[in-house]
Amino acid sequence: EDQVTQSPEALRLQEGESSSLNCSYTVSGLRGLFWYRQDPGKGPEFLFTLYSAGEEKEKERLKATLTKKESFLHITAPKPEDSATYLCAVQGSSWGKLQFGAGTQVVVTP
Amino acid sequence: NAGVMQNPRHLVRRRGQEARLRCSPMKGHSHVYWYRQLPEEGLKFMVYLQKENIIDESGMPKERFSAEFPKEGPSILRIQQVVRGDSAAYFCASSPDGYEQYFGPGTRLTVT
Repeated sequence: EDQVTQSPEALRLQEGESSSLNCSYTVSGLRGLFWYRQDPGKGPEFLFTLYSAGEEKEKERLKATLTKKESFLHITAPKPEDSATYLCAVQGSSWGKLQFGAGTQVVVTP
Repeated sequence: NAGVMQNPRHLVRRRGQEARLRCSPMKGHSHVYWYRQLPEEGLKFMVYLQKENIIDESGMPKERFSAEFPKEGPSILRIQQVVRGDSAAYFCASSPDGYEQYFGPGTRLTVT
C-alpha cells in the first residue's frame, strides 16, 4: 500500500528564516507527487506536481524537489502569510487516488 | 474560471438522518474525487468518478455511503442514517486529466 510520511509535524520559523519540509514516500509506480497548502477551515490549494526524480519546481518563496524516495519543500525567507499546513500526496498505480501525508504545520512569526 | 464549488458549506444532521453533499467541478473537468478529513486526521480518499461512472470506490465505507456523478448536474455524496462518527469535513476535487486535482472549500458535516 502507498505510504507518505511528512516531517516535522510542526515548524515554527521567524520571518526570513529559511527551512525545508520533508515528504518520504513508498509507492508502487509513482505517477506523480503533489504539494498542497491548506489554511484552517479551507480546502487544500494546489502548489506543485513533480513526476520524476531530479525534477524541481518553484513558485515565489517555495521550491519543491523530488528524489526516488522523498521530496522536499524549501521555504526561502518566509513571511507570516506563508503560515499554513503543507500537505504532500502521491499518486501511484491506483489511477486517480491521492494518498496524503499528515502534513506539516508551519507558523511564521514576524 | 470558477473553482470547484461545494454546497452546503456547513450541514447539521441528527443521527439517523440522511446527508447529501454536492460538488460542481471546474469547467472542463470530467474527473471528480471525494475525500474525508476527520478531526485531527489527514485527508483520506473515498471515491473517484467520471461522468456516469464510478472508477474507484476503494475508500468508501461499504454501507450507508454512495456517490454519483450524473450526465447533467453536480456530483452527489450521499450518507444514509448518519452516525456521530461521520462528523468530518468532506472535500471534493476535480481534474481535467486525472493528474492534478483542485479542491473545493469543503462541506463540514456535524452529526448531533
